[in-house]
Amino acid sequence: DTGVSQDPRHKITKRGQNVTFRCDPISEHNRLYWYRQTLGQGPEFLTYFQNEAQLEKSRLLSDRFSAERPKGSFSTLEIQRTEQGDSAMYLCASSLGQGLTQYFGPGTRLLVL
Amino acid sequence: AQKVTQAQTEISVVEKEDVTLDCVYETRDTTYYLFWYKQPPSGELVFLIRRNSFDEQNEISGRYSWNFQKSTSSFNFTITASQVVDSAVYFCALSGNQGAQKLVFGQGTRLTINP
Repeated sequence: DTGVSQDPRHKITKRGQNVTFRCDPISEHNRLYWYRQTLGQGPEFLTYFQNEAQLEKSRLLSDRFSAERPKGSFSTLEIQRTEQGDSAMYLCASSLGQGLTQYFGPGTRLLVL
Repeated sequence: AQKVTQAQTEISVVEKEDVTLDCVYETRDTTYYLFWYKQPPSGELVFLIRRNSFDEQNEISGRYSWNFQKSTSSFNFTITASQVVDSAVYFCALSGNQGAQKLVFGQGTRLTINP
């Protein structure tokens, strides 16, 4: 199996622009997670999909953030009207089912100028 | 609420020394899972181990060993005969058994192994 992949790996944008990140989970993994990691901190949960259904969202996920997982395969995370505080590493993880290990992708590092 | 505490922010040792990374957790769940992940400079989180709350047996994998003690809510990680390639940030994490089972991470311990 190939691992979790994320695209792009790096993104630099100007404040106010929209950005979209993509995550391709390990094939057949029905659970997909997005986390955000700021410098010197552990990752923090943003949202979770089981197949195509978005079942949980963190309070960290403001109205400017939206995530989708059409057809239960890849997922996209969009940030509208980016702010400098959005600068972080965005990590995607997938797992095969309940209680099982989450495997992480390489992350997308976002810098908002 | 669930919480993970890694009190050691940074540790620096000389190669071949043994080193223990501490992890203390809080949860009200009776069934839960504990994890250790390694984050090298490249940034990708690499899975090391998963433990469920019913299995308190210690585990050894090569130079790595883990000590899970429910009585003290700790899940410590020891590297024996450390090597330069072990240099990374190590995260302890906890998940419950219901719903999203999202991971709650500690703040990480930056381990530097000096030659």
